[in-house]
Amino acid sequence: AQSVTQPDIHITVSEGASLELRCNYSYGATPYLFWYVQSPGQGLQLLLKYFSGDTLVQGIKGFEAEFKRSQSSFNLRKPSVHWSDAAEYFCAVGARAAGNKLTFGGGTRVLVKP
Amino acid sequence: DAMVIQNPRYQVTQFGKPVTLSCSQTLNHNVMYWYQQKSSQAPKLLFHYYDKDFNNEADTPDNFQSRRPNTSFCFLDIRSPGLGDAAMYLCATSRGGAQETQYFGPGTRLLVL
Repeated sequence: AQSVTQPDIHITVSEGASLELRCNYSYGATPYLFWYVQSPGQGLQLLLKYFSGDTLVQGIKGFEAEFKRSQSSFNLRKPSVHWSDAAEYFCAVGARAAGNKLTFGGGTRVLVKP
Repeated sequence: DAMVIQNPRYQVTQFGKPVTLSCSQTLNHNVMYWYQQKSSQAPKLLFHYYDKDFNNEADTPDNFQSRRPNTSFCFLDIRSPGLGDAAMYLCATSRGGAQETQYFGPGTRLLVL
């Protein structure tokens, strides 16, 4: 069965600084990987996804993520954080073997300091 | 513009009093999902419909039921809410397939008194 680990529960970053959120997955084949963002009291919004091709994926709101098969990782980055990036971020794996359902990581809450 | 709509946004019910949450979509997607999300946790899939086919998760309590009368609408029924059922309930849709994006509604926050 597939699984997703987000090692950091909370991250605090200063506005304008860079941000990197870690995601490690476990799955026997090439997974479909997603990053979603959830603002307080809201649903989830897709930032980006990877399922083949270029391992560096560009998303919305200036985010990017890099798929590294050798490290089973799909880390999310943003070069310069804005106060509006304060939210919860979820990494997820989609797998045909799991009935095409998403398996979510535990989430990382990002706080942005002025 | 809204693609996945959930009503109501906030629902207060009494312990043991049945409640129904509503989800509708304008995307014409095949699949509709219901998730439960408790504070500071990841969403937990309760069940999903692929067209009219209902797929229940093994650990979803019998207290939770769902109906999908047509492509656009899906309902979550909680037959006898307990205090532990207080949570955010998220509806999502997709075309189906592991690579497809799931589009989430804004959620319904359920409070059980």
